[in-house]
Amino acid sequence: DIVMTQSPATLSVSPGERATLSCRASQSVSSNLAWYQHKPGQAPRLLIYAASSTATAFPARFSGSGSGTEFTLTISSLQSEDFAVYYCQQYNNWPYSFGQGTKLEIK
Amino acid sequence: QITLKESGPTRVKPTQTLTLTCSFSGFSLSTSGMAVGWIRQPPGKALEWLALIYWDDDKRYSPSLKSRLTITKDTSKNQVVLTMSNMDPVDTGTYYCAHTRGYWGQGTLVTVSS
Repeated sequence: DIVMTQSPATLSVSPGERATLSCRASQSVSSNLAWYQHKPGQAPRLLIYAASSTATAFPARFSGSGSGTEFTLTISSLQSEDFAVYYCQQYNNWPYSFGQGTKLEIK
Repeated sequence: QITLKESGPTRVKPTQTLTLTCSFSGFSLSTSGMAVGWIRQPPGKALEWLALIYWDDDKRYSPSLKSRLTITKDTSKNQVVLTMSNMDPVDTGTYYCAHTRGYWGQGTLVTVSS
């Protein structure tokens, strides 16, 4: 099985600042990598697919990059509504697998 | 608009079988390329894919849970059903159904307790 490792586990950032979240796969997943935003009591929302394509519901301040085993989610200027847990997920091989999540909190 | 919603018991006893239903709208599971699956999250732990069923009835199961899982679809009712046998307290968590194109239900909390 492919193990996804996210870092850091918690990231404290002030509104308006930039946030960079990392995700590493134990073996290559090509560009078959998604990012989800998860807020308490809500369904996770697809944020990024194919490693770098932003879902239409999200603004341009969200961007994804990487391929193979190293991936990054960048939020260029944090807004209050962006504070949530973010998960990466590979869908290159079954079983699909998630990282443990990065909790993005207000500093 | 694609929506999914999970339904089923909120509490089951150890050794019982859990049956969860995912009712969806906005797409047909008979359309080529479509797939719906189940994901769970124990409290404080990571998300885990459990099973996946494709439009052509191909199925995938988590290797560690394969012996306990069955996933089926009823295309006419727009439903996907997951059964998990021999439930244990460690199976407590929120269970989600999801379309592989990124749409998820709200999830349903299942507690395993005697």
